[in-house]
Amino acid sequence: EAQVTQNPRYLITVTGKKLTVTCSQNMNHEYMSWYRQDPGLGLRQIYYSMNVEVTDKGDVPEGYKVSRKEKRNFPLILESPSPNQTSLYFCASSFGGRGVYEQYFGPGTRLTVT
Amino acid sequence: GQQVMQIPQYQHVQEGEDFTTYCNSSTTLSNIQWYKQRPGGHPVFLIQLVKSGEVKKQKRLTFQFGEAKKNSSLHITATQTTDVGTYFCAGLTGNTGKLIFGQGTTLQVKP
Repeated sequence: EAQVTQNPRYLITVTGKKLTVTCSQNMNHEYMSWYRQDPGLGLRQIYYSMNVEVTDKGDVPEGYKVSRKEKRNFPLILESPSPNQTSLYFCASSFGGRGVYEQYFGPGTRLTVT
Repeated sequence: GQQVMQIPQYQHVQEGEDFTTYCNSSTTLSNIQWYKQRPGGHPVFLIQLVKSGEVKKQKRLTFQFGEAKKNSSLHITATQTTDVGTYFCAGLTGNTGKLIFGQGTTLQVKP
């Protein structure tokens, strides 16, 4: 089954404790992206990757890191989480190529930073 | 920076009424995508519009891309309770992978 998986689905952590949210897709997609969703603000892009070893900042990259060492995986790293990073996070992938096409979203990761 | 404004934020309709949500970009877009998110779920792709003035239909849903490629709309004819959810537009500029989402329009349908 074609899908995007994220882990963990729920996470409660404390300020300053480094964490990683994993994202994996099995569709051989070139494009992958991370979003955060907050009430009233919609979805905001954090980072995206057009292909392996190529990453770029989205609209709200501060406080986040990503890497794309393999085509299927695109982990999101919070080196020192803060309460303002409490949010619902979505990973997405797309066929990519010369543009961005239909995005497939993962189920989401709800993160709470206390 | 680039912004995509979406209105209205909320819409309550009686089942059978029509519904429209609008997106306006501060810059010219290369394409625009539309997504639907059910409560508690993840966004699901509906359609992508690329050409100036493009109109596409999916059953009761009609999508339009403005002539200047700076605005778009989604119109639902004769809403049903299954249409409940939040509808997002997402604009792409140039050949980058940077997508700007609108704030979304949450649709409630009263049976």
